[in-house]
Amino acid sequence: EAGVAQSPRYKIIEKRQSVAFWCNPISGHATLYWYQQILGQGPKLLIQFQNNGVVDDSQLPKDRFSAERLKGVDSTLKIQPAKLEDSAVYLCASSLGIQVLGYGYTFGSGTRLTVV
Amino acid sequence: DQQVKQNSPSLSVQEGRISILNCDYTNSMFDYFLWYKKYPAEGPTFLISISSIKDKNEDGRFTVFLNKSAKHLSLHIVPSQPGDSAVYFCAARRFSSNTGKLIFGQGTTLQVKP
Repeated sequence: EAGVAQSPRYKIIEKRQSVAFWCNPISGHATLYWYQQILGQGPKLLIQFQNNGVVDDSQLPKDRFSAERLKGVDSTLKIQPAKLEDSAVYLCASSLGIQVLGYGYTFGSGTRLTVV
Repeated sequence: DQQVKQNSPSLSVQEGRISILNCDYTNSMFDYFLWYKKYPAEGPTFLISISSIKDKNEDGRFTVFLNKSAKHLSLHIVPSQPGDSAVYFCAARRFSSNTGKLIFGQGTTLQVKP
């Protein structure tokens, strides 16, 4: 099966600019996650969707970050305006259901964002 | 509040020997633990998991041990191969959570020398 697709792979922007990332999950996967991985740290959940509804966005900086999942399939994550500390890899993942169970979920290759 | 900790940033072992990666956690409500492997420029890949009701799970060369009383788990790779060189993340899920949220440790970089 095709994996989780993300684009772009790399992005460099100046602080205060805006940026958007796109994710296409594995076909049939109802649950979609956006994680932020800062260099030297583990991934941190930003937001989780179940179909097109938000399940958990408790760690999403809502003053600058927004996300949507169109028709329960593709998703976009936006940052506006960007700050230097937003430099990180943004990982999208998907799973069949809301419970991870024992098999984890599938990550995309990520988008590396550098804010200068 | 770092609920999942991997205190060793890096580990180097010789090919054919055992690699042991460690992970500590603080939240007794975690019910599932997972290990992910990450190569450069790729996303993390699921490796192996263990339920909190078990103390060992084995899959080929990979074995995960869970010590609930010590809130500690470890991943053993035997024998280690150069292709195992990667960053390994420990992750945990909280019981009764209505989400699939995983809490990750900081990662340990494993280098297997030929």
